[in-house]
Amino acid sequence: ETGVTQTPRHLVMGMTNKKSLKCEQHLGHNAMYWYKQSAKKPLELMFVYNFKEQTENNSVPSRFSPECPNSSHLFLHLHTLQPEDSALYLCASSQDGGPGGTQYFGPGTRLTVL
Amino acid sequence: AQSVTQLDSHVSVSEGTPVLLRCNYSSSYSPSLFWYVQHPNKGLQLLLKYTSAATLVKGINGFEAEFKKSETSFHLTKPSAHMSDAAEYFCVVSGDGNDMRFGAGTRLTVKP
Repeated sequence: ETGVTQTPRHLVMGMTNKKSLKCEQHLGHNAMYWYKQSAKKPLELMFVYNFKEQTENNSVPSRFSPECPNSSHLFLHLHTLQPEDSALYLCASSQDGGPGGTQYFGPGTRLTVL
Repeated sequence: AQSVTQLDSHVSVSEGTPVLLRCNYSSSYSPSLFWYVQHPNKGLQLLLKYTSAATLVKGINGFEAEFKKSETSFHLTKPSAHMSDAAEYFCVVSGDGNDMRFGAGTRLTVKP
């Protein structure tokens, strides 16, 4: 589990706040992912970065803004969120974005939007 | 396109008895299949992975899964449940590209 770290582990924010989630992988991987895990729903893929380039944006609202400055770091910038955005946000990495690659997950950030 | 269906949202077993978590998949491609486990307040941990080699895949903590193409299934089993196995289990299918589709999860409860 220490291969992919996420901070903070818990975050409470108001709808007008701006905050950022951070993910760091220590596995030498080239692809990184953001997922949203809500109660009673399957994991939803939000964004994919492959060699620092965004290769997928899964129809995510613009109030979520990803940033990938290098292959080891991934951020999710949050702005004017809604209560329904409360969820566990998981970061993952894989060797590359190719088919069948194993993804390794961080512990997640539990986000609560008031 | 691919999808995965976990047939049970909740499975309850007694400690020391076998575990069976069922998963059916659909894929237009030769799929890769995974089982992940998530303990409370933790991220997902890979249990095992199938990638068109042996159809019986052995994973960590005594778990294994069998790929059955004719039944489009990839069920997860363990001969003897331990209290520490209580968690949420996710079946995942990956086909073309980096698109991994997760099942809705099966919550495993282990009774003493």
